[in-house]
Amino acid sequence: EPEVTQTPSHQVTQMGQEVILRCVPISNHLYFYWYRQILGQKVEFLVSFYNNEISEKSEIFDDQFSVERPDGSNFTLKIRSTKLEDSAMYFCASRTGHGDTEAFFGQGTRLTVV
Amino acid sequence: AQTVTQSQPEMSVQEAETVTLSCTYDTSESDYYLFWYKQPPSRQMILVIRQEAYKQQNATENRFSVNFQKAAKSFSLKISDSQLGDAAMYFCAYSEGSQGNLIFGKGTKLSVKP
Repeated sequence: EPEVTQTPSHQVTQMGQEVILRCVPISNHLYFYWYRQILGQKVEFLVSFYNNEISEKSEIFDDQFSVERPDGSNFTLKIRSTKLEDSAMYFCASRTGHGDTEAFFGQGTRLTVV
Repeated sequence: AQTVTQSQPEMSVQEAETVTLSCTYDTSESDYYLFWYKQPPSRQMILVIRQEAYKQQNATENRFSVNFQKAAKSFSLKISDSQLGDAAMYFCAYSEGSQGNLIFGKGTKLSVKP
């Protein structure tokens, strides 16, 4: 069964460093998303991406964040200068977009900023 | 802005019994989708069941069913014949079809007692 794959599963980084979280969405999907979940809190929408551009972003997704689909298969989230409060679980999701509303989630990347 | 509220931070059910998890939401839209996601300790988000707002019939998936009350903006999840593997965090979520990004509630932690 097709699945969304995220790497790495866990990343530890020093405050102020740049991190790139990687995702491989399901191949025939057209809509891509990043969500984050701070430990013990709810899942929050960060950004959606369609047709090679951001279609919507939340207030959380400020200038420190960026997304890219560099090669038609990977979908990346970059945090330019990490802060302690960026520590969270980051989930990538994708869906077909052809009237199908089910979003398939990856297993998540746990980001720890020290 | 749309909001999703889960008023039960924790619930407990005896194995083989039935439990209902509550969810209310707020929206001015008439066309939208509602979901219940399960998050086991592995942290991956797994779709349990979904409901299209334009459908009056409540969705069912095996032991899982919903009680969708559109006028009351209520969307509860009923789990019948609870199993130990049902123990997890359950998140209620809302989306509008055009963008598809999900707005989550804070979650309900379900424990299943043997």
